[in-house]
Amino acid sequence: EAGVAQSPRYKIIEKRQSVAFWCNPISGHATLYWYQQILGQGPKLLIQFQNNGVVDDSQLPKDRFSAERLKGVDSTLKIQPAKLEDSAVYLCASSLTTGEQFFGPGTRLTVL
Amino acid sequence: GQSLEQPSEVTAVEGAIVQINCTYQTSGFYGLSWYQQHDGGAPTFLSYNALDGLEETGRFSSFLSRSDSYGYLLLQELQMKDSASYFCAVIDANAGKSTFGDGTTLTVKP
Repeated sequence: EAGVAQSPRYKIIEKRQSVAFWCNPISGHATLYWYQQILGQGPKLLIQFQNNGVVDDSQLPKDRFSAERLKGVDSTLKIQPAKLEDSAVYLCASSLTTGEQFFGPGTRLTVL
Repeated sequence: GQSLEQPSEVTAVEGAIVQINCTYQTSGFYGLSWYQQHDGGAPTFLSYNALDGLEETGRFSSFLSRSDSYGYLLLQELQMKDSASYFCAVIDANAGKSTFGDGTTLTVKP
């Protein structure tokens, strides 16, 4: 069974530029999560989808971050414009059952 | 809101047993998960507790006490490859939202 796929793996941009990340969850997993992980900290939930509906986006900085999950499968996370403090690893995860999430390899974003 | 506390660092020797504690505060508790993350890698699922008691999976066990808002991960027969960060994550009852702790860095020494 294929795991969670993410691209790109690495991205370097300058502040005020825009960037987009893509995630393909495990087939059949209805729940999809986007996390931001800053070095030395735990993953912080940005947005959670159930199929193509948003379950929670309370920690998503909506003035600059947006996410969508079309057709309840793939998802994209966008940052526009990026700030220096957005430098982090962005993790996508999916789940079939409560409590067990499968994570993708992440995208390491550096904002200069 | 939700908050979790776990020790920042733990050191143990190969072959030993180590316990990583996690205390949490949440307005609506559903369950507690544990994840392992090696440097540069993604978190991988270890264990999940929704009910009080001990769950055993090979060398790893996880315990939950809902009345004490407390859980722990027990690692037995430590191996060098167990050196990693370990995160507890509380799951909210209302929407299934997960909140992760800041992790415990485990160092296993020969």
